[in-house]
Amino acid sequence: DVVLTQTPPTLSATIGQSVSISCRSSQSLLHSNGNTYLHWLLQRPGQSPQLLIYSVSRLESGVPNRFSGSGSGTDFTLKISGVEAEDLGVYYCVQGTHAPLTFGSGTKLEIK
Amino acid sequence: AVQLVESGGGLVQPKESLKISCAASGFTFSNAAMYWVRQAPGKGLEWVARIRTKPNNYATYYADSVKGRFTISRDDSKSMVYLQMDNLKTEDTAMYYCTAGGYNWGQGVMVTVSS
Repeated sequence: DVVLTQTPPTLSATIGQSVSISCRSSQSLLHSNGNTYLHWLLQRPGQSPQLLIYSVSRLESGVPNRFSGSGSGTDFTLKISGVEAEDLGVYYCVQGTHAPLTFGSGTKLEIK
Repeated sequence: AVQLVESGGGLVQPKESLKISCAASGFTFSNAAMYWVRQAPGKGLEWVARIRTKPNNYATYYADSVKGRFTISRDDSKSMVYLQMDNLKTEDTAMYYCTAGGYNWGQGVMVTVSS
């Protein structure tokens, strides 16, 4: 199975600060069809995961544009430009290029 | 809108069985490989079982931790996916989610295995 290494495990940010989370894959996530199935999820406390970014950089409908995704191949980044209080929770990267679905270990974002 | 609704969780004793279900809507269910993913309390997300589509003979795959004990199945006529869990262990205690490609998630269903 593909291993996703996510860093850092925890982040502490003030409101308005910009932060980044890294997700590195054990193999390229470029599918033979030309797409890259690397997504970002947010799990708020007590809630189920929700999709923020899909296919590396596409913003899910309804997600604020302070969230952005970038990367290619094996290295990917989620950036939050101006953290808000509602952004606290655990962020996961997930890949669907190579079955089965695998997940990063998560990054817990705390608000100072 | 895509909707996934899991049901059937509960408290069972070790070695007992439980079957959980997931009702899907808002997308062409028969075209989608489906997963069960679980999350133990305070832990991360872990894939448990996967079932492919009819053209792929409904092939099934399991994480090593559940192989031989869990069975995933689907009913395309009802847009339902199921997980039959036998010989449950305390380490199977988790919230169980169904998902297609990791895009959409339901509220999950809690399975607690305890004596």
